[in-house]
Amino acid sequence: NAGVTQTPKFRVLKTGQSMTLLCAQDMNHEYMYWYRQDPGMGLRLIHYSVGEGTTAKGEVPDGYNVSRLKKQNFLLGLESAAPSQTSVYFCASHSAGLGAREQFFGPGTRLTVL
Amino acid sequence: AQTVTQSQPEMSVQEAETVTLSCTYDTSESDYYLFWYKQPPSRQMILVIRQEAYKQQNATENRFSVNFQKAAKSFSLKISDSQLGDAAMYFCAFTTGTASKLTFGTGTRLQVTL
Repeated sequence: NAGVTQTPKFRVLKTGQSMTLLCAQDMNHEYMYWYRQDPGMGLRLIHYSVGEGTTAKGEVPDGYNVSRLKKQNFLLGLESAAPSQTSVYFCASHSAGLGAREQFFGPGTRLTVL
Repeated sequence: AQTVTQSQPEMSVQEAETVTLSCTYDTSESDYYLFWYKQPPSRQMILVIRQEAYKQQNATENRFSVNFQKAAKSFSLKISDSQLGDAAMYFCAFTTGTASKLTFGTGTRLQVTL
């Protein structure tokens, strides 16, 4: 039982390049989230998904796209990377049910855009 | 919009002593949930404790407890008998609803000294 995994763990991009971050969970969770963490700003929600085939915007969605084609996977795409997207990206997931469920986080991906 | 404020960027405590980390939040909702997450140098986000707003009793998890003051919109974390392994960033987080989109504070870095 691996929990929430993220691929890759580190990546360096040049401005304008594209890439996809993969989040996978093996807990059969309905809900999945992408956050970014910047120094002094805590974690901010980029996009989220309440189930397979659905996605929604969070607080800071600009410059990112997401897809949830399979329940266990949640992909975050950067079509044209910018230095402002240098950050640590976290994926999280939780089960469905009443009330707020505990979110389980992945180990993070450190992305640097030059 | 909900906001979470952590006014202490850094705190220090001696081993075996007690420390309290502050958190205030702003919301017009009556039903919500509050969390404290720990982020050690490994970057992994670890849930420390959670509190449901409808519960009057303060949550407790071993050496960790909260002081939840709903009227004052305050949610502080008390760590008793501090240990070296408690050194980390601590984030206060807030959510409403089943889609548990978390709003995080900016974090408090806790140092534990001998």
